[in-house]
Amino acid sequence: NAGVTQTPKFQVLKTGQSMTLQCAQDMNHNSMYWYRQDPGMGLRLIYYSASEGTTDKGEVPNGYNVSRLNKREFSLRLESAAPSQTSVYFCASMEVYEQYFGPGTRLTVT
Amino acid sequence: AQKITQTQPGMFVQEKEAVTLDCTYDTSDQSYGLFWYKQPSSGEMIFLIYQGSYDEQNATEGRYSLNFQKARKSANLVISASQLGDSAMYFCAMMGVHDMRFGAGTRLTVKP
Repeated sequence: NAGVTQTPKFQVLKTGQSMTLQCAQDMNHNSMYWYRQDPGMGLRLIYYSASEGTTDKGEVPNGYNVSRLNKREFSLRLESAAPSQTSVYFCASMEVYEQYFGPGTRLTVT
Repeated sequence: AQKITQTQPGMFVQEKEAVTLDCTYDTSDQSYGLFWYKQPSSGEMIFLIYQGSYDEQNATEGRYSLNFQKARKSANLVISASQLGDSAMYFCAMMGVHDMRFGAGTRLTVKP
């Protein structure tokens, strides 16, 4: 039982490049989330998906797109990376009230 | 918009003593949930405790309890009998109808 997995763990991009962060959960949860955590700050919600086939914007959605591919997978895409998107990205899934987080992806945009 | 405030950037506590981490919130939602998470230096986020806005009793999970005062909009975390392994960042969070917001966190250091 792996819980929530994220790939990659680390990534360096140049400004303007694109990439997709992958997230998968094996707990059969309906809700999934993408957050970013900047140094010295709490997490901020980028997008969430309450169920398969639905996605909604969170607090900081600009510059990102998401896809809820199926119940297990929820990906985050940066179409044209900017230095302001340098952050640690966490994926999470939730059922009832317990939210499980992935290990995070550390992204640096130069 | 929802807002979570943690006013203590850092806290120190002696091993085996109790410590309270403060959290206040603001929301117009009638139904919401309050969470506490622990983030050790390794970086993972660990769920500690949850309190629903309609729960009348304070939540408890082992050494963690949540002091929920709805009228004051506060949801303080109490850790009893602190251990060295409790040293970490602690985040308060609130889930409303369409949003999830985190506070800036409190860094707790447990002294031997």
